[in-house]
Amino acid sequence: AQRVTQPEKLLSVFKGAPVELKCNYSYSGSPELFWYVQYSRQRLQLLLRHISRESIKGFTADLNKGETSFHLKKPFAQEEDSAMYYCALSLGGSQGNLIFGKGTKLSVKP
Amino acid sequence: GAGVSQTPSNKVTEKGKYVELRCDPISGHTALYWYRQSLGQGPEFLIYFQGTGAADDSGLPNDRFFAVRPEGSVSTLKIQRTERGDSAVYLCASSRTADYEQYFGPGTRLTVT
Repeated sequence: AQRVTQPEKLLSVFKGAPVELKCNYSYSGSPELFWYVQYSRQRLQLLLRHISRESIKGFTADLNKGETSFHLKKPFAQEEDSAMYYCALSLGGSQGNLIFGKGTKLSVKP
Repeated sequence: GAGVSQTPSNKVTEKGKYVELRCDPISGHTALYWYRQSLGQGPEFLIYFQGTGAADDSGLPNDRFFAVRPEGSVSTLKIQRTERGDSAVYLCASSRTADYEQYFGPGTRLTVT
Protein backbone atom coordinates (compact mmCIF):
# COMPACT_ATOMS: atom_id res chain seq x y z
CA ALA A 1 0.00 0.00 0.00
CA GLN A 2 1.10 3.55 -0.61
CA ARG A 3 2.36 5.28 2.49
CA VAL A 4 4.25 8.41 3.56
CA THR A 5 6.35 8.38 6.72
CA GLN A 6 7.59 11.42 8.58
CA PRO A 7 9.56 10.01 11.51
CA GLU A 8 9.81 13.21 13.56
CA LYS A 9 6.73 14.70 15.20
CA LEU A 10 8.70 17.70 16.42
CA LEU A 11 11.95 19.25 15.27
CA SER A 12 13.44 22.12 17.21
CA VAL A 13 16.41 24.16 15.93
CA PHE A 14 17.97 27.54 16.59
CA LYS A 15 17.75 30.40 14.13
CA GLY A 16 20.52 30.17 11.55
CA ALA A 17 21.00 26.44 11.97
CA PRO A 18 20.45 24.00 9.11
CA VAL A 19 17.22 22.06 9.10
CA GLU A 20 16.22 18.78 7.48
CA LEU A 21 12.70 17.39 7.66
CA LYS A 22 12.64 13.73 6.76
CA CYS A 23 10.12 12.05 4.49
CA ASN A 24 10.08 8.50 3.19
CA TYR A 25 7.47 7.01 0.92
CA SER A 26 6.28 3.61 -0.14
CA TYR A 27 5.16 3.27 -3.76
CA SER A 28 6.43 1.04 -6.51
CA GLY A 29 5.46 3.33 -9.39
CA SER A 30 6.59 6.83 -10.37
CA PRO A 31 5.41 9.09 -7.59
CA GLU A 32 4.87 12.79 -7.43
CA LEU A 33 6.04 14.20 -4.12
CA PHE A 34 5.04 17.43 -2.43
CA TRP A 35 5.74 19.39 0.71
CA TYR A 36 2.81 21.30 2.21
CA VAL A 37 3.13 23.80 5.06
CA GLN A 38 0.64 25.11 7.57
CA TYR A 39 1.59 28.26 9.49
CA SER A 40 -0.20 29.07 12.71
CA ARG A 41 -3.86 30.00 12.09
CA GLN A 42 -3.45 29.66 8.33
CA ARG A 43 -4.63 27.09 5.84
CA LEU A 44 -2.58 24.31 4.36
CA GLN A 45 -0.56 25.51 1.37
CA LEU A 46 1.84 24.02 -1.13
CA LEU A 47 5.50 24.73 -0.41
CA LEU A 48 7.10 22.83 -3.25
CA ARG A 49 6.74 19.84 -5.56
CA HIS A 50 9.56 17.70 -6.81
CA ILE A 51 8.83 18.05 -10.52
CA SER A 52 9.28 21.83 -10.42
CA ARG A 53 12.74 21.57 -8.84
CA GLU A 54 12.33 25.03 -7.32
CA SER A 55 13.71 26.55 -4.17
CA ILE A 56 10.88 28.17 -2.23
CA LYS A 57 11.64 30.38 0.80
CA GLY A 58 15.12 28.86 0.80
CA PHE A 59 13.79 25.30 1.05
CA THR A 60 14.76 22.54 -1.36
CA ALA A 61 13.85 18.87 -1.61
CA ASP A 62 15.37 16.19 -3.79
CA LEU A 63 13.58 13.02 -4.74
CA ASN A 64 15.80 10.00 -4.10
CA LYS A 65 14.11 7.02 -5.69
CA GLY A 66 16.78 4.60 -4.46
CA GLU A 67 16.14 5.53 -0.84
CA THR A 68 12.47 6.38 -1.49
CA SER A 69 13.01 9.70 0.27
CA PHE A 70 12.05 13.31 -0.27
CA HIS A 71 13.69 15.19 2.58
CA LEU A 72 13.12 18.94 2.95
CA LYS A 73 16.19 21.04 3.63
CA LYS A 74 17.10 24.62 4.41
CA PRO A 75 20.66 25.75 5.19
CA PHE A 76 19.74 28.57 7.58
CA ALA A 77 16.45 28.35 9.47
CA GLN A 78 14.46 31.50 10.23
CA GLU A 79 11.94 32.04 13.02
CA GLU A 80 9.19 32.53 10.44
CA ASP A 81 9.79 28.96 9.23
CA SER A 82 8.12 27.66 12.39
CA ALA A 83 5.10 25.68 11.18
CA MET A 84 3.68 22.21 10.54
CA TYR A 85 5.18 20.55 7.50
CA TYR A 86 3.49 17.69 5.67
CA CYS A 87 5.02 15.49 3.03
CA ALA A 88 2.52 14.17 0.49
CA LEU A 89 2.48 11.63 -2.32
CA SER A 90 0.34 11.64 -5.44
CA LEU A 91 0.01 8.62 -7.68
CA GLY A 92 -0.29 11.05 -10.54
CA GLY A 93 -2.44 11.37 -13.61
CA SER A 94 -6.15 11.09 -12.96
CA GLN A 95 -5.52 9.79 -9.44
CA GLY A 96 -5.23 13.28 -8.09
CA ASN A 97 -5.70 12.64 -4.40
CA LEU A 98 -2.80 13.14 -2.02
CA ILE A 99 -1.51 10.73 0.59
CA PHE A 100 -0.11 12.70 3.51
CA GLY A 101 2.35 11.91 6.23
CA LYS A 102 1.51 12.72 9.84
CA GLY A 103 3.50 15.92 9.73
CA THR A 104 6.49 17.41 11.52
CA LYS A 105 6.22 20.48 13.66
CA LEU A 106 9.24 22.71 13.11
CA SER A 107 10.10 25.13 15.88
CA VAL A 108 12.84 27.67 15.19
CA LYS A 109 14.09 29.32 18.33
CA PRO A 110 15.67 32.79 18.41
CA GLY B 1 -8.92 36.41 -5.78
CA ALA B 2 -11.14 34.40 -3.49
CA GLY B 3 -9.78 31.13 -2.26
CA VAL B 4 -11.58 27.95 -1.28
CA SER B 5 -14.20 28.62 1.36
CA GLN B 6 -15.89 26.18 3.73
CA THR B 7 -18.94 26.57 5.91
CA PRO B 8 -19.52 26.31 8.75
CA SER B 9 -16.11 26.86 10.31
CA ASN B 10 -17.22 24.95 13.39
CA LYS B 11 -20.03 22.48 13.90
CA VAL B 12 -21.01 20.80 17.14
CA THR B 13 -23.59 18.06 16.89
CA GLU B 14 -24.95 15.24 18.99
CA LYS B 15 -24.22 11.61 18.32
CA GLY B 16 -26.70 10.18 15.86
CA LYS B 17 -27.52 13.48 14.13
CA TYR B 18 -27.09 14.32 10.45
CA VAL B 19 -24.67 17.04 9.30
CA GLU B 20 -23.82 18.76 6.04
CA LEU B 21 -20.52 20.49 5.36
CA ARG B 22 -20.19 22.86 2.41
CA CYS B 23 -17.25 23.67 0.16
CA ASP B 24 -17.00 26.51 -2.37
CA PRO B 25 -14.02 25.88 -4.64
CA ILE B 26 -12.04 28.44 -6.58
CA SER B 27 -14.01 29.52 -9.64
CA GLY B 28 -13.10 27.48 -12.70
CA HIS B 29 -11.48 24.63 -10.79
CA THR B 30 -12.87 21.35 -12.08
CA ALA B 31 -11.27 19.07 -9.49
CA LEU B 32 -12.48 19.08 -5.88
CA TYR B 33 -11.25 16.97 -2.98
CA TRP B 34 -12.42 16.23 0.54
CA TYR B 35 -9.99 15.21 3.26
CA ARG B 36 -10.41 14.50 6.95
CA GLN B 37 -7.77 15.41 9.51
CA SER B 38 -7.92 13.89 12.96
CA LEU B 39 -5.88 15.25 15.85
CA GLY B 40 -2.17 14.57 15.41
CA GLN B 41 -2.60 13.12 11.94
CA GLY B 42 -2.09 14.33 8.41
CA PRO B 43 -5.06 14.90 6.11
CA GLU B 44 -6.69 11.67 4.97
CA PHE B 45 -8.31 11.48 1.54
CA LEU B 46 -12.06 10.91 1.40
CA ILE B 47 -13.38 11.63 -2.10
CA TYR B 48 -12.40 13.40 -5.32
CA PHE B 49 -14.70 14.99 -7.90
CA GLN B 50 -13.84 15.77 -11.49
CA GLY B 51 -16.67 18.03 -12.59
CA THR B 52 -19.97 16.71 -11.27
CA GLY B 53 -18.94 13.09 -10.90
CA ALA B 54 -17.09 11.36 -8.11
CA ALA B 55 -13.92 10.12 -9.81
CA ASP B 56 -12.66 8.35 -6.69
CA ASP B 57 -14.64 7.75 -3.50
CA SER B 58 -12.36 5.04 -2.14
CA GLY B 59 -11.51 7.06 0.97
CA LEU B 60 -15.06 7.32 2.33
CA PRO B 61 -14.94 5.25 5.53
CA ASN B 62 -18.45 3.78 5.31
CA ASP B 63 -21.90 4.35 3.85
CA ARG B 64 -22.75 7.01 6.43
CA PHE B 65 -20.59 9.38 4.41
CA PHE B 66 -21.77 10.80 1.11
CA ALA B 67 -20.76 13.78 -1.02
CA VAL B 68 -22.32 15.56 -3.97
CA ARG B 69 -21.33 18.22 -6.45
CA PRO B 70 -24.45 18.60 -8.60
CA GLU B 71 -23.40 21.56 -10.75
CA GLY B 72 -19.68 20.98 -10.81
CA SER B 73 -18.93 23.81 -8.41
CA VAL B 74 -20.11 23.77 -4.77
CA SER B 75 -19.82 20.44 -2.99
CA THR B 76 -21.55 19.15 0.12
CA LEU B 77 -20.22 16.40 2.36
CA LYS B 78 -23.03 14.65 4.19
CA ILE B 79 -22.62 12.50 7.28
CA GLN B 80 -25.54 10.46 8.61
CA ARG B 81 -25.90 9.08 12.13
CA THR B 82 -22.77 10.83 13.33
CA GLU B 83 -20.47 9.06 15.76
CA ARG B 84 -17.92 10.50 18.19
CA GLY B 85 -15.16 9.07 16.01
CA ASP B 86 -16.27 11.37 13.19
CA SER B 87 -14.94 14.35 15.14
CA ALA B 88 -12.18 15.90 13.03
CA VAL B 89 -11.35 18.82 10.78
CA TYR B 90 -12.83 18.30 7.33
CA LEU B 91 -10.77 19.93 4.62
CA CYS B 92 -11.78 20.75 1.09
CA ALA B 93 -9.34 21.47 -1.73
CA SER B 94 -9.73 22.38 -5.37
CA SER B 95 -7.42 22.42 -8.37
CA ARG B 96 -7.64 23.46 -11.99
CA THR B 97 -7.54 19.83 -12.98
CA ALA B 98 -6.24 16.71 -11.25
CA ASP B 99 -2.64 17.39 -12.27
CA TYR B 100 -2.43 20.87 -10.81
CA GLU B 101 -1.72 22.31 -7.37
CA GLN B 102 -4.44 21.77 -4.79
CA TYR B 103 -5.63 24.83 -2.91
CA PHE B 104 -7.04 24.10 0.51
CA GLY B 105 -9.87 25.71 2.39
CA PRO B 106 -9.72 26.62 6.09
CA GLY B 107 -11.59 23.49 7.10
CA THR B 108 -14.69 22.73 9.14
CA ARG B 109 -14.08 21.50 12.67
CA LEU B 110 -16.74 18.90 13.46
CA THR B 111 -17.29 17.88 17.06
CA VAL B 112 -19.70 15.05 17.84
CA THR B 113 -20.75 14.97 21.47
